[in-house]
Amino acid sequence: QQQVKQSPQSLIVQKGGISIINCAYENTAFDYFPWYQQFPGKGPALLIAIRPDVSEKKEGRFTISFNKSAKQFSLHIMDSQPGDSATYFCAAVYSSASKIIFGSGTRLSIRP
Amino acid sequence: KAGVTQTPRYLIKTRGQQVTLSCSPISGHRSVSWYQQTPGQGLQFLFEYFSETQRNKGNFPGRFSGRQFSNSRSEMNVSTLELGDSALYLCASSPGAGGYNEQFFGPGTRLTVL
Repeated sequence: QQQVKQSPQSLIVQKGGISIINCAYENTAFDYFPWYQQFPGKGPALLIAIRPDVSEKKEGRFTISFNKSAKQFSLHIMDSQPGDSATYFCAAVYSSASKIIFGSGTRLSIRP
Repeated sequence: KAGVTQTPRYLIKTRGQQVTLSCSPISGHRSVSWYQQTPGQGLQFLFEYFSETQRNKGNFPGRFSGRQFSNSRSEMNVSTLELGDSALYLCASSPGAGGYNEQFFGPGTRLTVL
């Protein structure tokens, strides 16, 4: 019940294309869903986050789509650029218990 | 503001030894969390400290311990090292405790156990 399943494990997208990464969770107690971006040799950095009372959140080229009934959420990167090449982690947070569960990560490569 | 700093950046130890890792949070941040990152298990939560008190703990054996000092700096200790402890250990700080506070990660300490 504490798992967050992330797919795909790796993704190759052409420059200018749309990158889509999916995550699914089981426990409805999660109440905050952040996405993190990690470059080699660096720690993860918060990219964008959403609460379950919202179905979509957009920040620039990054959009989270959230489906509460299906317990799924996804990250869409529009007009993908080579600089977006990184590993992306979704996460689910129990804010009251101060616990965060990460997905297994997706290695994204944008081909020029 | 300076970011989260972790020392050392790289460490090589042998089985059975113990190791201490250090984390200095962003100035003003009072919460520090530790994570283990491995290719097989991904990012796993170790523990969180807030105002020198352990607020939460992940599912790791008692060989993994930590503490936080009055200046919010934190240390993590692993005793009786095993080969499987080889990982990137990440520290993250946030202004307060709890999941809604954005966590700022340091670059990590790469621990190799031989």
